[in-house]
Amino acid sequence: GESVGLHLPTLSVQEGDNSIINCAYSNSASDYFIWYKQESGKGPQFIIDIRSNMDKRQGQRVTVLLNKTVKHLSLQIAATQPGDSAVYFCAELYPPGGGNKLTFGTGTQLKVEL
Amino acid sequence: GAVVSQHPSRVICKSGTSVKIECRSLDFQATTMFWYRQFPKQSLMLMATSNEGSKATYEQGVEKDKFLINHASLTLSTLTVTSAHPEDSSFYICSARVTGDGELFFGEGSRLTVL
Repeated sequence: GESVGLHLPTLSVQEGDNSIINCAYSNSASDYFIWYKQESGKGPQFIIDIRSNMDKRQGQRVTVLLNKTVKHLSLQIAATQPGDSAVYFCAELYPPGGGNKLTFGTGTQLKVEL
Repeated sequence: GAVVSQHPSRVICKSGTSVKIECRSLDFQATTMFWYRQFPKQSLMLMATSNEGSKATYEQGVEKDKFLINHASLTLSTLTVTSAHPEDSSFYICSARVTGDGELFFGEGSRLTVL
């Protein structure tokens, strides 16, 4: 979906805690989803992806969960570190099988407190 | 991973002038490149899709005569903001992909400030 907000929602966590960032996507026909991390003044950095035939995928310290029933994605970061502070975006690839344009979600600012 | 380079990273220009931003894939050939615009505290909004050797496809609401996109080679796409105005001040980000389903690689962005 398109972003219409004037500010980003913020999630504050203590260093060492687990973080859960949520995202609602727009199109039920989307079949590929990606989480990106964006640090201030930089381009998006790929974190992890998941296809619609899966409901969970794990990476190093990160896990993505997909619930197609309610069109919901979440990114879990284990043992959050100060270097994880950034804005996190989910993105969906739509339309599937052609065009292949990425549509970004609103984004969530993650702040890690020492 | 593959590297996408943007230049300049920052540019300041006067209102009414034109500014060109380059997006290069350094170690791969990109058949498709995408241009995004990002305002402060907001998400990335797709402006246009650029395919090598053909005209760009613009998203709804993006003025093609104002944002000129050229993808003349498999390693270079350019975005020219013509007759720039202060409201064009934004962070412009490109991404590049080798094939239709290939991974997308993002540039580091170019911050445009129009005075």
